[in-house]
Amino acid sequence: GQNIDQPTEMTATEGAIVQINCTYQTSGFNGLFWYQQHAGEAPTFLSYNVLDGLEEKGRFSSFLSRSKGYSYLLLKELQMKDSASYLCAAMDSNYQLIWGAGTKLIIKP
Amino acid sequence: DTAVSQTPKYLVTQMGNDKSIKCEQNLGHDTMYWYKQDSKKFLKIMFSYNNKELIINETVPNRFSPKSPDKAHLNLHINSLELGDSAVYFCASSQDPQGGANVLTFGAGSRLTVL
Repeated sequence: GQNIDQPTEMTATEGAIVQINCTYQTSGFNGLFWYQQHAGEAPTFLSYNVLDGLEEKGRFSSFLSRSKGYSYLLLKELQMKDSASYLCAAMDSNYQLIWGAGTKLIIKP
Repeated sequence: DTAVSQTPKYLVTQMGNDKSIKCEQNLGHDTMYWYKQDSKKFLKIMFSYNNKELIINETVPNRFSPKSPDKAHLNLHINSLELGDSAVYFCASSQDPQGGANVLTFGAGSRLTVL
């Protein structure tokens, strides 16, 4: 079956760095997405990786290893506004998105 | 200008009633979706339309019926509401259902509570 695993919850300190991991098992693979969702709001797009390696976008970076079925989202210089859920979604061979349950990130001062 | 707008934002209704949620996008996207997010926060695809044609129809009860009058609109009608239908329903759109162009823009969500 198709599956996405990511931690349920993580806690980090303002100004620090946090890495949110995601492992996936899909029938075929056409890329991996990360979305941010603040409580009570809609998910918003953060990143897309289809090739191995690290993609950097400001304070946020996303990494992909296709051979390991693994991705992570790296958040640097954490701010209180980064408190949110982070959703990992993998696209299978039919271009359907398989979603994880999200990782709730709590930032403490 | 809201890119993907859905109404109503909140809906509280009794079991057995029929309700509709409307969605409109002004991004010029060809593909629109309905997702359900339950209390455990899983996003589950329900339907997807590409240029008014149904392309994804996941296993949802046939009490749920989507309607796309044109590619900018995708409405969701729910008949005979049940307690388990309580969730947040998100409308979304994307330029292209394949590959990296499949960046989804979500509406703000419609929180449905069935009593």
